[in-house]
Order: sequence, then structure tokens, then C-alpha cells
Amino acid sequence: DQQVKQNSPSLSVQEGRISILNCDYTNSMFDYFLWYKKYPAEGPTFLISISSIKDKNEDGRFTVFLNKSAKHLSLHIVPSQPGDSAVYFCAARGHSGTYKYIFGTGTRLKVLA
Amino acid sequence: EAGVAQSPRYKIIEKRQSVAFWCNPISGHATLYWYQQILGQGPKLLIQFQNNGVVDDSQLPKDRFSAERLKGVDSTLKIQPAKLEDSAVYLCASSQGPYGQYFGPGTRLTVT
Repeated sequence: DQQVKQNSPSLSVQEGRISILNCDYTNSMFDYFLWYKKYPAEGPTFLISISSIKDKNEDGRFTVFLNKSAKHLSLHIVPSQPGDSAVYFCAARGHSGTYKYIFGTGTRLKVLA
Repeated sequence: EAGVAQSPRYKIIEKRQSVAFWCNPISGHATLYWYQQILGQGPKLLIQFQNNGVVDDSQLPKDRFSAERLKGVDSTLKIQPAKLEDSAVYLCASSQGPYGQYFGPGTRLTVT
């Protein structure tokens, strides 16, 4: 049972344009959501997060939107840069006090120069 | 601040052999996680430690996988005997508090 889904395995965007990465979840008890970025041969690195009590969080070129009624979150990167080319994972944390994270399958973003 | 350290970075073994991975978390981080990432999939939690106690090992194949966290700091993950489907990247992560994790570079295991 895949509780966190990223339905687009890959995405190509022109440099300078907006990249939108999507993530859907099924468990309404998730209370915290994160996006990680992963380069080849490296571990995932934290990018941005959002609490379930908010609907938007912004950090420089990165903005995460949360739509709880639709159980959907998205990551916007504006403007996209070639260095943003990586695999992006969304992750969700259950409200159990154990800080257990469930990851999506990832979206490979390619920013074309 | 030093990051999460893992070794080895790469390992190739034959099926039915055993293998062990080592992780040194960020100093002071109480929670340590081991994940398995199969190609094309997201990281899957194998085991989670809080200090040196196990919080969650529900997805750890206990007939072949074992893990321990020595004195609440370093941790080792062992596979014995390995199967072809164990080929994956094994990621260690640590955290202090509820807001996110720091990952190591991972160990890429190939079972032939």
C-alpha cells in the first residue's frame, strides 16, 4: 500500500521556467511533509518542509503548497536552474510520536539549459 | 559539523554470502534510521532506533537482516545470507527532534 505517491517519474523543464513537482498521499494522519533532493551517488538532502497546519511555505526559489482536502502537495521551483537537475522525493511523517517518515518513489527533474 | 558517515560506499558479494554496513550518525542525534532504496523506488524504512532501543523494525526481514546500535551512537546493519533482491542502496539517516533527517551517502550493494 503506497501511502505517498509521486505519479510523474520524470519531468523536463527549460532553464528559467517554473518546475512543478507533485505528490499525493492517502493517510490523513500525516502531520508534516518534506521534500528531499538527491544527486547520483549521494544521500538525499533536505530541501523544504511544511506542517499540516499551513498551506504554503516558501524558501528562496522553492515553495511548497499543501492542499489537505485533496491530500496533495506540490513543490514549485522558480526560476529553474540546471543545478536543480536531480531526483526529488516527497516524504510524510505520521502523527505517532515516533518520527517515522514514508517516502514517495521520486521524480527525476531535468532542467535544460 | 560532520555529517552522517557510512562505510563501505560500494560492496559486491555473491548470493548466500554475508555483508555488514556501518553508520556513524551526527553527534548528539538520538534517532537513527536504516533505509533500503531499490532502483526506481523511494527509500523504505528498515529499522529505526531511538538511542540504542528499537522504535520500529516492522519492515525488517528478520530472517536475514539484523541491526544494532552500539551505546546509542554507531550502528551496523547485517545481511546473512544475501539474496539477489537485496541489491539496493542502503541509507543511514539521523535526526534530533521531529523535523527532518540528515542522510549519509549510502552503501550500494550488488548481489550477484
